[in-house]
Amino acid sequence: GENVEQHPSTLSVQEGDSAVIKCTYSDSASNYFPWYKQELGKRPQLIIDIRSNVGEKKDQRIAVTLNKTAKHFSLHITETQPEDSAVYFCAASKSGATNKLIFGTGTLLAVQP
Amino acid sequence: NAGVMQNPRHLVRRRGQEARLRCSPMKGHSHVYWYRQLPEEGLKFMVYLQKENIIDESGMPKERFSAEFPKEGPSILRIQQVVRGDSAAYFCASSPPGGGYEQYFGPGTRLTVT
Repeated sequence: GENVEQHPSTLSVQEGDSAVIKCTYSDSASNYFPWYKQELGKRPQLIIDIRSNVGEKKDQRIAVTLNKTAKHFSLHITETQPEDSAVYFCAASKSGATNKLIFGTGTLLAVQP
Repeated sequence: NAGVMQNPRHLVRRRGQEARLRCSPMKGHSHVYWYRQLPEEGLKFMVYLQKENIIDESGMPKERFSAEFPKEGPSILRIQQVVRGDSAAYFCASSPPGGGYEQYFGPGTRLTVT
């Protein structure tokens, strides 16, 4: 069935460094790929997304890249700050009768001051 | 514009009791999704509803779980005869009419079964 794998499960970086989180998906019909940030005890917050007709999207310090051929997409955070510390989830969905999100298992990002 | 609302935020039930979780979508949104997050795990899709219709319930356990989204009022996820394994955070998300891709999440209901 549909599956999204996410790596690494934990990531520790120094403040100011870059962080990269990678996901692969199994369903080639997937065409929408959001990223969510979840702080402890809080709701998942949509931080950036990309659709399959685009290879890259950037929003200030955050960027997402998509490789449809290889079925993988990545989140890039530059100039990390302590407030970037959280769990990040990738997800995939496909348009159709349902837009259900299939989530990766999450990456715990720790930004060390 | 109020975001997605969920209540209660915390719910404690004894084994065998019923749990009712409520979700009010963002204003103007007519699509509701329910997801379950077990401790230290990712989110798992449960069910997708539009007003008065269940569109996709492929992630719902076959027994004890049901969901509705009536014409008036919030969407409700109902768990009958709860067991300890039902302890989790239950999040709902909403998206705009027309099947917009973006889903915005509520604060979740943390269910504890004792």
